[in-house]
Amino acid sequence: ELVESGGGLVQPGGSLRLSCAVSGFTVSDNYMSWVRQAPGKGLEWVSVIFGSGATYYADSVKGRFTISRDSFKNTVYLQMNSLSLEDTAVYYCARVTVHWFDPWGQGTLVTVSS
Amino acid sequence: DIQMTQSPSSLSASIGDRVTITCQASQDITIYLNWYQQKPGKVPKLLISDASNLETGVPSRFSGAGSGTDFTFTISSLQPEDVATYYCQQYDDLPRFTFGPGTKVGVK
Repeated sequence: ELVESGGGLVQPGGSLRLSCAVSGFTVSDNYMSWVRQAPGKGLEWVSVIFGSGATYYADSVKGRFTISRDSFKNTVYLQMNSLSLEDTAVYYCARVTVHWFDPWGQGTLVTVSS
Repeated sequence: DIQMTQSPSSLSASIGDRVTITCQASQDITIYLNWYQQKPGKVPKLLISDASNLETGVPSRFSGAGSGTDFTFTISSLQPEDVATYYCQQYDDLPRFTFGPGTKVGVK
């Protein structure tokens, strides 16, 4: 099970940290990813962290977002800085199995607005 | 970057109809193509992996085919509970994951 938290309302230019608490498997043994969905729009991959700890980002968030994990808490994080209106979305945490996303969390809504 | 296109963007069909969605990649992605179903207000659900492998528990009316750049997703007999948006998704070695824009399937 994956349970996201940390979403909310933030002003443009602000920061937010999302959490994804995982049960049933070990985050450090898996690839973990964040996928987002703007209101009424499609799915957009955001970031992935490999079991090795290597991290990768979509061009739209590179330099602003940071993915990390805490093996003791079995939790994955997404630190989001310099947020803009275009970052408003539901953010899903998902395990990457081979090269697909399964399972997914229920999502957490991030709203960037003044 | 590999671009993904899907067609149609939306469709409406009758119960029992055969529905086919196409997904095209801008480069050869072999079989690294997956399909998801997202019902309104719900979390995306993986239906098919590696172009044609049906996930456990997914009804057999769903199927996928293709390789290279051209892929299809088929519902052999549309059911009311299949109303959803369907997304294809590819993976490349950058690594990068890309979703198609989605196909909204409705019932007439």
